[in-house]
Amino acid sequence: EVQLLESGGGLVQPGGSLRLSCAASGFSFANYAMAWIRQAPGKGLEWVSALTASGAITYYVDSVKGRFTISRDNSKNTLYLQMNNLRAEDTALYYCAKAIEVSGGPRDYWGQGTQVTVSS
Amino acid sequence: EIVMTQSPATLSVSPGERVTLSCRASQSVRSSLAWYQQKPGQAPRLLIYGASTRATDIPARFSGSGSGTEFTLTISSLQSEDFAVYYCQHYNNWPYTFGQGTKLEIK
Repeated sequence: EVQLLESGGGLVQPGGSLRLSCAASGFSFANYAMAWIRQAPGKGLEWVSALTASGAITYYVDSVKGRFTISRDNSKNTLYLQMNNLRAEDTALYYCAKAIEVSGGPRDYWGQGTQVTVSS
Repeated sequence: EIVMTQSPATLSVSPGERVTLSCRASQSVRSSLAWYQQKPGQAPRLLIYGASTRATDIPARFSGSGSGTEFTLTISSLQSEDFAVYYCQHYNNWPYTFGQGTKLEIK
């Protein structure tokens, strides 16, 4: 059974940092692209960042470029999102999601999310 | 960035009815289009990808069609568990983007 378990969220002040983790199990983690997708309270879905199976190619939405860094450790079956210089508008539920293929595409499995709240 | 526009924003329907949701892309995304279902308090679930391919374990009452800029998701006979928010999403090129969602409500 595929499982994605996010952790690392919490309450942080504007300008602060958090590191999200997503522990994957039940599939060959190293063979699939992964992504972080967020959902602000009462709002729709927004892609934040993605990376290919090897981690060689990364993507970021413009609003987080230069502040967030996505990475993965295929030996630990874990996806990460380092978030620096956080802003109030980054407040959201952050989902980790598995792609259906190596390079990207739609996401067939999602975690339950970890809440990030940026507030003073 | 490709903008995905879904219509309508909200749809009130009765169980057993056939419903069609629309999604339009601001430029061609070929067939790189997915549909997701999200229920309150749950993560999204992939329904359709490649515009018309059902994901694993998705009932046959869900079908997708379209290519280029115009897409539809059809639910042939609404069941009680189908009342949810539906999102389309393109994956033709980065940044992938979602539509704003269509909420199916019980009439």
